[in-house]
Amino acid sequence: GNSVTQMEGPVTLSEEAFLTINCTYTATGYPSLFWYVQYPGEGLQLLLKATKADDKGSNKGFEATYRKETTSFHLEKGSVQVSDSAVYFCALRTGRRALTFGSGTRLQVQP
Amino acid sequence: SQTIHQWPATLVQPVGSPLSLECTVEGTSNPNLYWYRQAAGRGLQLLFYSVGIGQISSEVPQNLSASRPQDRQFILSSKKLLLSDSGFYLCAWSEPGGGVNTEAFFGQGTRLTVV
Repeated sequence: GNSVTQMEGPVTLSEEAFLTINCTYTATGYPSLFWYVQYPGEGLQLLLKATKADDKGSNKGFEATYRKETTSFHLEKGSVQVSDSAVYFCALRTGRRALTFGSGTRLQVQP
Repeated sequence: SQTIHQWPATLVQPVGSPLSLECTVEGTSNPNLYWYRQAAGRGLQLLFYSVGIGQISSEVPQNLSASRPQDRQFILSSKKLLLSDSGFYLCAWSEPGGGVNTEAFFGQGTRLTVV
């Protein structure tokens, strides 16, 4: 079956620090990979996605590269801001199945 | 443009009471619809998904049921709530017939507390 594993949170960083949130997956078939962000009290918003190996998804300064050889899709940002504080979810889809999500990683950015 | 509405935003219900959460989508036809639950400190668990009116697939056995009485309406129900039903419930939709690249769009969620 499909599964997504994310690093445990919370991740606490100072403003302008470099961010990495690890995500690895197992999948039946060839998945597309997604990162969603959830701000406090809200639903999930798509942050970025990648649909094939070596693709790089990017948005709002965040990036993630689809690494088929390591089955990973780590989220990175060069300089985080307080406004980036949120919960980040890695997810995958194979075929027409519903998205499978990881457990989420809470990011706290301190000024 | 497409929009998704989910209500109520918050709900406090006693154990043993019934539940009805509603979700509607506008601006698209025959969407795929989903109910997810996010328990405290845990990730998103898929509860139900639907590819059409009256077509509901359940992912996990539980105290909940779902119905799709109209094309763009998805309802999550329970006859008798349990304490363990507390959590954040999210409705989502995706394009009909969407393939592997298709993203899902989420509502604002319902915070359910069973007391």
